[in-house]
Amino acid sequence: DAMVIQNPRYQVTQFGKPVTLSCSQTLNHNVMYWYQQKSSQAPKLLFHYYDKDFNNEADTPDNFQSRRPNTSFCFLDIRSPGLGDAAMYLCATSMTGGPYEQYFGPGTRLTVT
Amino acid sequence: GENVEQHPSTLSVQEGDSAVIKCTYSDSASNYFPWYKQELGKRPQLIIDIRSNVGEKKDQRIAVTLNKTAKHFSLHITETQPEDSAVYFCAASDNDGQNFVFGPGTRLSVLP
Repeated sequence: DAMVIQNPRYQVTQFGKPVTLSCSQTLNHNVMYWYQQKSSQAPKLLFHYYDKDFNNEADTPDNFQSRRPNTSFCFLDIRSPGLGDAAMYLCATSMTGGPYEQYFGPGTRLTVT
Repeated sequence: GENVEQHPSTLSVQEGDSAVIKCTYSDSASNYFPWYKQELGKRPQLIIDIRSNVGEKKDQRIAVTLNKTAKHFSLHITETQPEDSAVYFCAASDNDGQNFVFGPGTRLSVLP
């Protein structure tokens, strides 16, 4: 009965080698989020989709891109990963109009070698 | 934009004692305030939330209070247990729930 699924759970990539993380949801929520979380820090919002509308946070590096081909799926593309991009990447969903709770996926831990 | 502060950053309590974590926010348009618990290596999970039309909400050992005038809200955990040890994040969001801003987190340790 997983609601927000992230694949893979662990990803190792080389410095500069593009990588894609995926998120899917069975909740039919219209909002999907990508967060970056480094150890002992709060999740940092990278961007979110309100339906098909893409909303980029002002300080999200251009290196990070996202795609949402349909309601259920959302992808995070890191075009040229640097060592500083090693982190846990969390996907979350919510529904406008309530309840407003964000449901988080289990995360993908990205290692950059 | 919204700014959420959270105190303390670390908190140690003896098992059975109470723990209180406080957050302040800056945007008066925020009206949804969730609290998330994150255990090591796991996803954040909602433990309680409050809307701005309510001053207090309780769920067993956990309660949240909101002072909208002062723009602060607090998490209260009573009769703490070792399994309450985790990082707790408060957050503030506007009415359509799109714009979540998390506080920096509080690491709670419950000592047996």
